[in-house]
Amino acid sequence: ETGVTQSPTHLIKTRGQQVTLRCSSQSGHNTVSWYQQALGQGPQFIFQYYREEENGRGNFPPRFSGLQFPNYSSELNVNALELDDSALYLCASRPSSGTGSGEQYFGPGTRLTVT
Amino acid sequence: AQKVTQAQTEISVVEKEDVTLDCVYETRDTTYYLFWYKQPPSGELVFLIRRNSFDEQNEISGRYSWNFQKSTSSFNFTITASQVVDSAVYFCALNNFNKFYFGSGTKLNVKP
Repeated sequence: ETGVTQSPTHLIKTRGQQVTLRCSSQSGHNTVSWYQQALGQGPQFIFQYYREEENGRGNFPPRFSGLQFPNYSSELNVNALELDDSALYLCASRPSSGTGSGEQYFGPGTRLTVT
Repeated sequence: AQKVTQAQTEISVVEKEDVTLDCVYETRDTTYYLFWYKQPPSGELVFLIRRNSFDEQNEISGRYSWNFQKSTSSFNFTITASQVVDSAVYFCALNNFNKFYFGSGTKLNVKP
């Protein structure tokens, strides 16, 4: 067990709606990353937050946004949901200075289905 | 451009066989990190190993070993004497400048 939790476990939304996914990291883990994993694919990096600031972003449009809070929790928000947003969303945290790379601890993911 | 390629989509072996999972990466940067993760059917990604670009030493951990060769941009993973519990999807990943790039994964089926 990694100590990283995510909620909800499963979620069904309608196209055009907005969704918020939540992640709770281990205490002391001040870097969190979010990933989208489509069925049968590898995780795709969405963005990374360090000390409540975004400091790395993958090829995702601005309708994917995030927040990180001082209590080691974070959120992924997706606006104007599209069918292709259906995927497993993973968060991963690690204790770091925000650069370089240490071992990431992944949560179990949130399965989002957009209909 | 950064990219990770895992050409083997699926591999099936019989228990106790050795198996090697291939990973080829692309990057123009001199400083980067390479990882292997295991994703069992439960879905949670499990960290296996991290290597930085300046450390080409091979590593062995129990039945697992990793071969990092910068000359061929490869970071291959070998499981010796495979077991049924090794059945999972394995991902290779590249990290630099606060971005991560995962391969598409290799599904390993170990049959009893």
